[in-house]
Amino acid sequence: GDSVTQMEGPVTLSEEAFLTINCTYTATGYPSLFWYVQYPGEGLQLLLKATKADDKGSNKGFEATYRKETTSFHLEKGSVQVSDSAVYFCALSGTGNQFYFGTGTSLTVIP
Amino acid sequence: DAGVIQSPRHEVTEMGQEVTLRCKPISGHDYLFWYRQTMMRGLELLIYFNNNVPIDDSGMPEDRFSAKMPNASFSTLKIQPSEPRDSAVYFCASREQGGAMGYTFGSGTRLTVV
Repeated sequence: GDSVTQMEGPVTLSEEAFLTINCTYTATGYPSLFWYVQYPGEGLQLLLKATKADDKGSNKGFEATYRKETTSFHLEKGSVQVSDSAVYFCALSGTGNQFYFGTGTSLTVIP
Repeated sequence: DAGVIQSPRHEVTEMGQEVTLRCKPISGHDYLFWYRQTMMRGLELLIYFNNNVPIDDSGMPEDRFSAKMPNASFSTLKIQPSEPRDSAVYFCASREQGGAMGYTFGSGTRLTVV
């Protein structure tokens, strides 16, 4: 069945460091892919999305490219800030439009 | 649109009491989801509705949990009787038909059962 696997956390980075959070997926057909962010004490918010192969989603300096050949949707940011500290969830909308979330990766950015 | 609205934001109750969590989805969204989030188990899908009809409740942990959606603008999740292990953050989310735009989550209800 459809599923999402994302890298285990927690991840701790210094401010201005480069961020990569890996996400791979298994799906039949052509899913849409998403990254959600959850700040402390809040609900999940859509960060970015891509609906077809080779699409690049971007928002707030974050990017992710839908790679069908490697079934991946890795999240990247060139220079993280303290305010990026949050939990990041990879997700896909697959068969029957059912959503599947990864387990979440906690990011802490230290000054 | 004000987004998905959940109430209350925080609930503290004693073991054995009934708890009712409420959710107002975004107008026009056909799907509504209830999730539970804990440190141990992460984000768990409890139940979801399509056009007010429950489609999959296989994630509801026990018969103590029940959910209703009497109309397109309101849903409840009820726990009766509550137990300490039910302590968690409960999220409601909604989305349009098709799913390409993703889910919109509410801010959650933090439930503490003492």
